[in-house]
Amino acid sequence: AIQLTQSPSSLSASVGDRVTITCRASQAISTALAWYQQKPGKSPNLLIFDASSLETGVPSRFSGSGSGTDFTLTISGLQPEDFATYYCQQFHSHPLFFGPGTKVDIK
Amino acid sequence: VQLVQSGAEVKKPGESLRISCKASGYTFTNYWIGWVRQMPGKGLEWMGIIYPRDSETTYSPSFQGQVTISVDRSISTAYLQWSSLKASDTAMYYCARQAGEALFPNYWGQGTLVTVSS
Repeated sequence: AIQLTQSPSSLSASVGDRVTITCRASQAISTALAWYQQKPGKSPNLLIFDASSLETGVPSRFSGSGSGTDFTLTISGLQPEDFATYYCQQFHSHPLFFGPGTKVDIK
Repeated sequence: VQLVQSGAEVKKPGESLRISCKASGYTFTNYWIGWVRQMPGKGLEWMGIIYPRDSETTYSPSFQGQVTISVDRSISTAYLQWSSLKASDTAMYYCARQAGEALFPNYWGQGTLVTVSS
């Protein structure tokens, strides 16, 4: 099974900051990676698919990059509504595991 | 696209349970549906996935034999069921429709909270 790790596990940032979250796969997955945002008490929300494609309706301050085993999610200009937990998920092969998550909170 | 899940459940250890996920707004048989567990204060765990057209199902090794995923095509509904609940099954469960051939979820249900306690 392909395992995902995320770093950091949590971070504190201020409104306007540029934030980068890393996701690493235990083996190459091409660009078969998605990123989700989850706010407390809510269902996850798709942000990025195919490693770098922005889901319709997601603000352009969110971007994704990477291929193979190393991926990043970048938030350029953190907004108050972006404080949440972010998960990566690989869809290269079963089981379609999620990463452990990165919690972004207010500094 | 809408996925509406059944309401919260409170059960005792050893009891059986089936929760549901009713899909609307798209052709049910054309898209895989998956289930995701989130234990209290924890991350997302991929449980398994089913293709409603032929009921082809794949489970995560952690959930194989522990739960059963099924569908009723006549009412566009997916199910997640347990034959004997444990306290450790206490969690929020989400259904999620996959995007298409690429198996990442792009639509999610609102979640069903299952509490198992004696």
